[in-house]
Amino acid sequence: KQEVTQIPAALSVPEGENLVLNCSFTDSAIYNLQWFRQDPGKGLTSLLLIQSSQREQTSGRLNASLDKSSGRSTLYIAASQPGDSATYLCAVRLNSGYALNFGKGTSLLVTP
Amino acid sequence: GAGVSQTPSNKVTEKGKYVELRCDPISGHTALYWYRQSLGQGPEFLIYFQGTGAADDSGLPNDRFFAVRPEGSVSTLKIQRTERGDSAVYLCASSPGLASYNEQFFGPGTRLTVL
Repeated sequence: KQEVTQIPAALSVPEGENLVLNCSFTDSAIYNLQWFRQDPGKGLTSLLLIQSSQREQTSGRLNASLDKSSGRSTLYIAASQPGDSATYLCAVRLNSGYALNFGKGTSLLVTP
Repeated sequence: GAGVSQTPSNKVTEKGKYVELRCDPISGHTALYWYRQSLGQGPEFLIYFQGTGAADDSGLPNDRFFAVRPEGSVSTLKIQRTERGDSAVYLCASSPGLASYNEQFFGPGTRLTVL
């Protein structure tokens, strides 16, 4: 069973800082990896998807990298803003399945 | 276009009752997924449909849970004899296909509370 771990569980930073969220997974036979954002009481918003053949993806201030061999992905957020405050979830789809396997998320608070 | 929609947004029921949760996927998306999210946890997979058929139901916790997608679009998750432990947010997601570049898009969820 794929285990997905996200560190740290919670993070508080002042506005304007660059930050890195970490995701590790135990099975390197992944098909793709998605990063999501979840606001309190809401559903998940897809941020970035990295295919297994890719090393990174970028969208605006967000950059996600993937290192399959070490079982790690990072989400880099540049120039953080209070509106970035949310829970960030990493999810992995294996070659052998269709489902996403999620970590527990990192709760981010960006203070003005 | 419209995203994934789920109804109801909240459902409160008594232990032992039957509930139905509905999901309307993004138009044209052939793949549909149900997940369940407990407080402080990431979503956990329940079942996946490709078209009308359940291609993978390995995540359903027991035979009280059942889901259908009769016309390959709308899906209903059915829970019989609800238990307090079934309380969670039930999330639906859809995807245009199964290629590695296909994202899963999630709905807002149904919060189920079993009293």
